[in-house]
Amino acid sequence: NAGVTQTPKFQVLKTGQSMTLQCAQDMNHEYMSWYRQDPGMGLRLIHYSVGAGITDQGEVPNGYNVSRSTTEDFPLRLLSAAPSQTSVYFCASSYRLAGSGELFFGEGSRLTVL
Amino acid sequence: SQKIEQNSEALNIQEGKTATLTCNYTNYSPAYLQWYRQDPGRGPVFLLLIRENEKEKRKERLKVTFDTTLKQSLFHITASQPADSATYLCALPTSGTYKYIFGTGTRLKVLA
Repeated sequence: NAGVTQTPKFQVLKTGQSMTLQCAQDMNHEYMSWYRQDPGMGLRLIHYSVGAGITDQGEVPNGYNVSRSTTEDFPLRLLSAAPSQTSVYFCASSYRLAGSGELFFGEGSRLTVL
Repeated sequence: SQKIEQNSEALNIQEGKTATLTCNYTNYSPAYLQWYRQDPGRGPVFLLLIRENEKEKRKERLKVTFDTTLKQSLFHITASQPADSATYLCALPTSGTYKYIFGTGTRLKVLA
């Protein structure tokens, strides 16, 4: 049972480049989300999804796109990378919608934008 | 807006002592609160959940309290061990949504 799998683990981009961070879960969780973690800022919610075809914005959505075509996958797209997007990104999923389900996190993707 | 505060300073304690971490929140009344552990370079791992109608929750050496009047949760690790050294995060669901907000975490170091 793999849980939540994120790829890549490390990525270096140049300003203006685009890329996709992949997230997959094999627990049949309805709820999936993306966070970024920066020193002194804690985890901040970027986007989340409560099921296939349904996405919504979190606290810091600008510069990021998401889609949810299947229950298992929730990719995060950076449209035109900026140095301010240098961060560690975590994908998290939950088996229960807004019902106090614990979040299962991936191991993170460390992104550096030059 | 809703806000969570955790002591950003690291907490150093001697092995065998009880560690107590604090999570304070403002501007709303969550139905529950969660605590997570995060090791360097890893994703957070869920530890405990406590609901608003529960004063205390225990799991092995861990104990969490929830005071909705003070808007505060305390996280205790009894008989602490060096392996308990990590950053501990509290998290709350924001009012009426599926969005969780996290505190910045408190780094605990247990000295042998």
